[in-house]
Amino acid sequence: DIQMTQSPSTLSASIGDRVTITCRASQSISSWLAWYQQKPGKAPNLVIYEASTLESGVPSTFSGSGSGTEFSLTISRMQPEDFATYYCQQYSEHPLTFGGGTKVEI
Amino acid sequence: QMQLQESGSGLVKPSQTLSLICTVSDGSISNGAYSWSWIRQPPGKGLEWIGYIAHNGHIQSNPSLMTRVTLSVDRSEGQLSLKMTSVTAADTAVYYCARGDYFDLWVLGTLVTVSS
Repeated sequence: DIQMTQSPSTLSASIGDRVTITCRASQSISSWLAWYQQKPGKAPNLVIYEASTLESGVPSTFSGSGSGTEFSLTISRMQPEDFATYYCQQYSEHPLTFGGGTKVEI
Repeated sequence: QMQLQESGSGLVKPSQTLSLICTVSDGSISNGAYSWSWIRQPPGKGLEWIGYIAHNGHIQSNPSLMTRVTLSVDRSEGQLSLKMTSVTAADTAVYYCARGDYFDLWVLGTLVTVSS
């Protein structure tokens, strides 16, 4: 199985901050990586797919980069609605696997 | 109009079988154009992929759960089915179904509690 390692596990930020979350795969996954945002009591919501493609309706303050084994999700200016937990997920091969999550708190 | 729902028992006794159905009425199960996965999330923890049904009908489960999991699809009804046998407290989780290889559509999950 491909292991996905996210860092940090928790991140404290303020409104307007630039925030970066990293995700590392245990082997190359090309660009087959997605990022999700999850708020308490809700299903995850797709933010980024194919490492850097913004899902329709997601603010342009979100961006993704990377390929191979190293990836990052950046929020250029934190807004109140961006405080949530973020997960990366590889879809290069089965079983599909997720990172452990990064909680972005105020 | 799209309806997304899961149904099944929210409380299952240890050693028994968990059964869930995911119904999607927008045609994206019925038309076979997408793969659909089951994913679970224990309370306060991360996400685990359980398995999927590919657009061509191929079914694959996570090796960690494969001996206990049965997935099926009824395209005429637009429904996915998950059965998990011999459940324990470790199977307590919110169970989701989700569309695609990266998941652009999630059905609101069902909390299944395993307890006597």
